Amino acid sequence: NSKVIQTPRYLVKGQGQKAKMRCIPEKGHPVVFWYQQNKNNEFKFLINFQNQEVLQQIDMTEKRFSAECPSNSPCSLEIQSSEAGDSALYLCASSLSGNERLFFGHGTKLSVL
Amino acid sequence: GEQVEQLPSILRVQEGSSASINCSYEDSASNYFPWYKQEPGENPKLIIDIRSNMERKQIQELIVLLDKKAKRFSLHITDTQPGDSAMYFCAASVNSGGSNAKLTFGKGTKLSVKS
Repeated sequence: NSKVIQTPRYLVKGQGQKAKMRCIPEKGHPVVFWYQQNKNNEFKFLINFQNQEVLQQIDMTEKRFSAECPSNSPCSLEIQSSEAGDSALYLCASSLSGNERLFFGHGTKLSVL
Repeated sequence: GEQVEQLPSILRVQEGSSASINCSYEDSASNYFPWYKQEPGENPKLIIDIRSNMERKQIQELIVLLDKKAKRFSLHITDTQPGDSAMYFCAASVNSGGSNAKLTFGKGTKLSVKS
């Protein structure tokens, strides 16, 4: 069983609605990544954190996506105004450091109708 | 950024035979190469990884080979079983000692093992 906990497993939203998903990284892992896996199984890196600080993020994330990893609370990824093209599996992963093994949660499957 | 090519996209083999998946990368600074197995509805699971200070690594029936000159690495599954049927993804990242290295994934290989 994955030690990276993601909620919810499934999320259904209408276009223009906010979509928020959460991730609890494996205990002791300060580095958290968010990836989007589309229907063709392709992975797209979105953003990563070390503790509460953003390390890297792509343009898409900077515009409609927001993410945070507050101390003592789950990390979250929120899409401000969902679009049909956002329908995908959103995977959270954690590691001891960015150059170590990455462990994935089960993901949140977002469907934007 | 880094680009990772993965072939084949679909691989069908007979139970007991070997399966091979090949990946290539562009950034010669990439130095960490993991392989993930993802079953339907499940999370990607790390099955084996190799760093650039090695050319070969084996864990049970899994063998990974790395050719840094050619910028290629490959996964070989010997004596395949029906339980090996899944999507397999290769990835590459540049490990510069900091925490902001990110994995770039290949597009995946769907392996089917027929009994």
